[in-house]
Amino acid sequence: NAGVTQTPKFQVLKTGQSMTLQCAQDMNHEYMSWYRQDPGMGLRLIHYSVGAGITDQGEVPNGYNVSRSTTEDFPLRLLSAAPSQTSVYFCASSYNPRDPLTHEQYFGPGTRLTVT
Amino acid sequence: AQTVTQSQPEMSVQEAETVTLSCTYDTSESDYYLFWYKQPPSRQMILVIRQEAYKQQNATENRFSVNFQKAAKSFSLKISDSQLGDAAMYFCAYRTQRQRFGGATNKLIFGTGTLLAVQP
Repeated sequence: NAGVTQTPKFQVLKTGQSMTLQCAQDMNHEYMSWYRQDPGMGLRLIHYSVGAGITDQGEVPNGYNVSRSTTEDFPLRLLSAAPSQTSVYFCASSYNPRDPLTHEQYFGPGTRLTVT
Repeated sequence: AQTVTQSQPEMSVQEAETVTLSCTYDTSESDYYLFWYKQPPSRQMILVIRQEAYKQQNATENRFSVNFQKAAKSFSLKISDSQLGDAAMYFCAYRTQRQRFGGATNKLIFGTGTLLAVQP
């Protein structure tokens, strides 16, 4: 299993540009989430999904869109990038219905995004 | 809303010694999970240990153990026989067990982290 994969690893954007951060998992997990990590603030939840076709907002959703058309993929879209969105972004997944006692969240390697 | 507080931005320990990282949380729920994650310079988030709130026994994983005090809402991590490879940022995290959309929300709430240095 590749686990949780994220692309790209690094990205530089200009203010106003749009882009999509990709996240995929091959563990048959129902739940997927996007977090951003900023210095001194830990990780904060942006959006999450409990299954294909179901998404909800987290703590800091403004400026980001998500969709979940398949169990495997959970892309994060920045509609119009702003310098305040400079951060490290982590995707995570968990909960395989065939192993409901497993509660661990598996994280991807992260994407470092800089908006100038 | 739940909150997680790590009051030690930085800690230092000598190799082979023991160190304790503090974490407190606030919640009105009775059923939840608590986690410690390690983030080395590689940036990868690694689960160190987890504790189910309904279990009174403190979780242990090799050199890592927790002191879970549910009434005090405290969840500290003890690292014994510290090694150079333990140097990292450590995050405490809370996960609600509330039901939504027919299943648990599974959202993690993180503290701000403690940067642990290990001195040779």
